[in-house]
Amino acid sequence: GAVVSQHPSWVICKSGTSVKIECRSLDFQATTMFWYRQFPKQSLMLMATSNEGSKATYEQGVEKDKFLINHASLTLSTLTVTSAHPEDSSFYICSAPPERLSGANVLTFGAGSRLTVL
Amino acid sequence: GQNIDQPTEMTATEGAIVQINCTYQTSGFNGLFWYQQHAGEAPTFLSYNVLDGLEEKGRFSSFLSRSKGYSYLLLKELQMKDSASYLCAVRDQNYQLIWGAGTKLIIKP
Repeated sequence: GAVVSQHPSWVICKSGTSVKIECRSLDFQATTMFWYRQFPKQSLMLMATSNEGSKATYEQGVEKDKFLINHASLTLSTLTVTSAHPEDSSFYICSAPPERLSGANVLTFGAGSRLTVL
Repeated sequence: GQNIDQPTEMTATEGAIVQINCTYQTSGFNGLFWYQQHAGEAPTFLSYNVLDGLEEKGRFSSFLSRSKGYSYLLLKELQMKDSASYLCAVRDQNYQLIWGAGTKLIIKP
């Protein structure tokens, strides 16, 4: 099945710095990828949809200037958290376009990136 | 608004059976998913229901009643490795996934 590689797995940074998270589709091309954020004991929240060769589509309430998304190739999407603050500390997960499993279009997720901003 | 409800936490004994319930109120319905998520890891797909009834897959089964806005995930012959969070997600009329907060399942020996 589809495999999505995400890194780094965890990162600690100082407040005010920027952090880049990469999401790669292995052995398949992805014109679309999804970025989620998950706070402890909470649901996955869709932040944005990354579109290859065009601008990302952001969900309501997500600051596009703070969470920069670049999808420059068919196998790589990046999320950059700019001027990070402690409240940005969270688990960020990317996912690939759906593949067909058990009769459904199922999302495949990367392993996630745990961001801690000091 | 759209809402997915599932218990926050459940405890069960190794070898036993546990049922995790999920109720939903969404704008339309295009399928319900169950995912397993171990701590610090990404969710992995478990099951999918779009029609009423029971879908069985090994030790795991998932049930759906669309008229009641209700689903459950049934785990049999529990193993310690089943300790994880179980996420219920519904795809709405716009094919957007709405996620529940997850049920943390604790398995005791």
